[in-house]
Amino acid sequence: NAGVTQTPKFQVLKTGQSMTLQCAQDMNHNSMYWYRQDPGMGLRLIYYSASEGTTDKGEVPNGYNVSRLNKREFSLRLESAAPSQTSVYFCASSGGHRPIQETQYFGPGTRLLVL
Amino acid sequence: AQSVAQPEDQVNVAEGNPLTVKCTYSVSGNPYLFWYVQYPNRGLQFLLKYITGDNLVKGSYGFEAEFNKSQTSFHLKKPSALVSDSALYFCAPRLNDYKLSFGAGTTVTVRA
Repeated sequence: NAGVTQTPKFQVLKTGQSMTLQCAQDMNHNSMYWYRQDPGMGLRLIYYSASEGTTDKGEVPNGYNVSRLNKREFSLRLESAAPSQTSVYFCASSGGHRPIQETQYFGPGTRLLVL
Repeated sequence: AQSVAQPEDQVNVAEGNPLTVKCTYSVSGNPYLFWYVQYPNRGLQFLLKYITGDNLVKGSYGFEAEFNKSQTSFHLKKPSALVSDSALYFCAPRLNDYKLSFGAGTTVTVRA
């Protein structure tokens, strides 16, 4: 049981390049999330998926797209990377029947540097 | 506005001494409150949560937190800190079904 896994661990991009961050969970959770963490700002929600087939915007969705490929996988795409997207990205998942009470479990993160 | 406040950016304690990390919150409706810890270059790990019931919640690694509704606080405590407790701690109220509110966190340093 690996929990939440993310690939890659680290990536360097040039401005304007695109890339997809991958996330998978093996806990049979319904909900999945993408956050970014910047120094002094805690974690901010980019997008989330309440269940397979649905996605919704979080606090900071501009410049990102997401795909809930199936129940296990939730990817985050940067179509045209900008230096402001340099950050650490975390994927999380949660399960259960009462989402508001459920614990979110986090992956190890992807460090992204945009030059 | 719904929010969370951790008034101390840094907490420094000696090993063996009690550790307290403060958190106050502002949410509408019933509060659902979570504490997470982040070790250097790692993801967030869940410590404990308050949903309902007993105001004193016990969690992982010997941590506990006390929910105080009148003071809208949910302070994290550990009776005897270890050097290995040095990390970044986040208090995170649940704003709705899917959104947690994270502040900047509190950096804890436990000196030997």
